[in-house]
Amino acid sequence: AQSVTQLDSHVSVSEGTPVLLRCNYSSSYSPSLFWYVQHPNKGLQLLLKYTSAATLVKGINGFEAEFKKSETSFHLTKPSAHMSDAAEYFCVVSGNTGNQFYFGTGTSLTVIP
Amino acid sequence: AAGVIQSPRHLIKEKRETATLKCYPIPRHDTVYWYQQGPGQDPQFLISFYEKMQSDKGSIPDRFSAQQFSDYHSELNMSSLELGDSALYFCASSPSLRDKETQYFGPGTRLLVL
Repeated sequence: AQSVTQLDSHVSVSEGTPVLLRCNYSSSYSPSLFWYVQHPNKGLQLLLKYTSAATLVKGINGFEAEFKKSETSFHLTKPSAHMSDAAEYFCVVSGNTGNQFYFGTGTSLTVIP
Repeated sequence: AAGVIQSPRHLIKEKRETATLKCYPIPRHDTVYWYQQGPGQDPQFLISFYEKMQSDKGSIPDRFSAQQFSDYHSELNMSSLELGDSALYFCASSPSLRDKETQYFGPGTRLLVL
């Protein structure tokens, strides 16, 4: 069975400081992992994905994530937060057939000016 | 680049009414997924289709049905609507070959049941 745990429901950072959004996964096989961002009243936008290639994945808007199999983690980071990064972030693992997605409960990121 | 299109974007219905949500996948994507996101919740998988056949089923109520048509667009039919059906409904699509594991989401249809 697949599942995702986002360790923080809310994260607050000051503009210009680093961002760390934590995600742990559980999977009985080698999963594909994704981070999506959802701005208020908007759809889900793909930030980045890991699909068994390089373990350090670079995404859009300066975000990156590192797949650590030994820790079953896929944390999202960004060196310097912008006001426009304020949104809800979802960590996602794909199912065994690569079909359905399993979402984490989301982390709400607040950026303080 | 073309994205997933969903219509309508907003829908208001009364209890016990029916609703039909439409999804138009990205061109050359043959797999469609439906998700339901309640207020303050994470998206929950409902159902998916590949090449017009149901490929996976999640927590879709029996009151809901869906299908994928020959042009690959999909419709989610919801009957006997309940207050708890009020949610944001996302459609996503993916290609069958290269990049098949990535799902590209539409903007969602916001359904309000009164």
